[in-house]
Amino acid sequence: DTAVSQTPKYLVTQMGNDKSIKCEQNLGHDTMYWYKQDSKKFLKIMFSYNNKELIINETVPNRFSPKSPDKAHLNLHINSLELGDSAVYFCASRRQQETQYFGPGTRLLVL
Amino acid sequence: AQSVTQLDSQVPVFEEAPVELRCNYSSSVSVYLFWYVQYPNQGLQLLLKYLSGSTLVKGINGFEAEFNKSQTSFHLRKPSVHISDTAEYFCAVSALSGSARQLTFGSGTQLTVLP
Repeated sequence: DTAVSQTPKYLVTQMGNDKSIKCEQNLGHDTMYWYKQDSKKFLKIMFSYNNKELIINETVPNRFSPKSPDKAHLNLHINSLELGDSAVYFCASRRQQETQYFGPGTRLLVL
Repeated sequence: AQSVTQLDSQVPVFEEAPVELRCNYSSSVSVYLFWYVQYPNQGLQLLLKYLSGSTLVKGINGFEAEFNKSQTSFHLRKPSVHISDTAEYFCAVSALSGSARQLTFGSGTQLTVLP
């Protein structure tokens, strides 16, 4: 029944590791997003995909690579994790001009 | 490019009192406006949105907001708050950026309802 789901919900890992966060939406939306929310709760867009094509790519380190195997999925892979990557990562989706729906977030802590 | 300013980072208010959370935006193109709420350790939930039409929009949980184009504002109001309204509130603007419509968030306002 969940509209936008993310896994895992919590992720604790060591510096230098590589990790992935998965996102799936069952709303039939065309566009999906990744946002980063820092410790001060500031939300910033990272990437956007429309029909599996990258359309927004904000200033994000190359260590972050989104992958969209199909319209319903947008995964985020992070290489060589750094302390500053600790944040909450939100996936969202939307159809054309409509509202964005957000997932529950993935809380990443890099030690 | 668009930007959103939420003028108050924290708003404490007593239960059953009215509240207004302020939001101003800047954009060179027409915009859609949104208010989202984030309860502790949860994701963002849409409260209300303005796309077109009536400038007074009503949302869930008794909240409403008024779009004022001349003042580029979209303030959120509730006539009587409950303890359960304690949360972080985000104003957001959606405008075309190239071929894509991009959502830009304000820095958030922490609403704390006191008993």
